[in-house]
Amino acid sequence: GQSLEQPSEVTAVEGAIVQINCTYQTSGFYGLSWYQQHDGGAPTFLSYNALDGLEETGRFSSFLSRSDSYGYLLLQELQMKDSASYFCAVPNQAGTALIFGKGTTLSVSS
Amino acid sequence: DTEVTQTPKHLVMGMTNKKSLKCEQHMGHRAMYWYKQKAKKPPELMFVYSYEKLSINESVPSRFSPECPNSSLLNLHLHALQPEDSALYLCASSQVEGGNQPQHFGDGTRLSIL
Repeated sequence: GQSLEQPSEVTAVEGAIVQINCTYQTSGFYGLSWYQQHDGGAPTFLSYNALDGLEETGRFSSFLSRSDSYGYLLLQELQMKDSASYFCAVPNQAGTALIFGKGTTLSVSS
Repeated sequence: DTEVTQTPKHLVMGMTNKKSLKCEQHMGHRAMYWYKQKAKKPPELMFVYSYEKLSINESVPSRFSPECPNSSLLNLHLHALQPEDSALYLCASSQVEGGNQPQHFGDGTRLSIL
């Protein structure tokens, strides 16, 4: 089956850089996704990595190492509005839908 | 605001009631999903529809009955629910079915079972 591990909580201050790690065990691998969810809100898609390396989108970057079954989400120039839960996700065994990690709650303080 | 619209936003029902949750998207997506999310937990997949046909049922109890009347609409019919079914029910869509496809989520229906 598919399983993912990510830290449950991370705290940081405004303007800082934070890295949220995710390790996964999968039968077959179709890529690693990241989603953000604010309290009371909908999950929103942040990034998808199918190949090794770093993908940058504004202040957010995502990295994947398939040989290490590891990825991370890097958030730079943190803002208060970045306080949210962040989920890594991998496709299920059939590659047809997503399995989410337990989520990392990021708290950004001033 | 999201491009996937879910109604109602909140629903309180008794264990003997029958109600339906509705989801609508107009992005031309051909895959639609229902997830259940408990507080401080990740979304858990319930059903997947691909081209209006049920593709995945994650062993969901029969008191939950999905329906996809057309490519834009997805319903979840509820009957004889239990208190443990209280949760946030999220609808999502993607261009086609696949774990490599970005999923667009609605804001969810917060369901409370009395």
